[in-house]
Amino acid sequence: DAGITQSPRHKVTETGTPVTLRCHQTENHRYMYWYRQDPGHGLRLIHYSYGVKDTDKGEVSDGYSVSRSKTEDFLLTLESATSSQTSVYFCATGQGLDSPLHFGNGTRLTVT
Amino acid sequence: QKEVEQNSGPLSVPEGAIASLNCTYSDRGSQSFFWYRQYSGKSPELIMSIYSNGDKEDGRFTAQLNKASQYVSLLIRDSQPSDSATYLCAVIILTGGGNKLTFGTGTQLKVEL
Repeated sequence: DAGITQSPRHKVTETGTPVTLRCHQTENHRYMYWYRQDPGHGLRLIHYSYGVKDTDKGEVSDGYSVSRSKTEDFLLTLESATSSQTSVYFCATGQGLDSPLHFGNGTRLTVT
Repeated sequence: QKEVEQNSGPLSVPEGAIASLNCTYSDRGSQSFFWYRQYSGKSPELIMSIYSNGDKEDGRFTAQLNKASQYVSLLIRDSQPSDSATYLCAVIILTGGGNKLTFGTGTQLKVEL
């Protein structure tokens, strides 16, 4: 939806390794977001971006970093993956602060 | 208190009945409210937006907003088995760092034949 592509779709990695998830959008939306979704917790905001090189933390940002060097790309990096970061990660984009978000198809990450 | 609260369900309704999904939120200043539908293993998809008090209808869906009571609801008329999914309520919460779209944990709806 809204031309949002996440890669990879699935990944299995070992504890302690760095992992980068990519979100690419073709809608020229200013705002981009990374959420994680876990049973019992719903969708929780990790980081978001309000422009190129402009990012801010969400409610569960510890252990994650992001970068946005171009309008269309938003990268999420797990600096040293832990088992607690096993989750489904969703990228979302929005046109404005009060706009609804549109989601990518998600990345299922398993940390062993 | 959670910022956005929903009953987790499951809510079971017979085919053809009205399904009523409810959501409460904590921030009195919130102005924008959304309902998303999420099928198992899929991403959330937007089904309704509502910004003003009252009802907003779109096909079989009606969103209701009461800012004084801080609740928003979604009615699904003539429920179909294909409506079986988890419904997420989302509210834009005003923070010092900017607006944040905050989700409830979702209500699972099961429409039974």
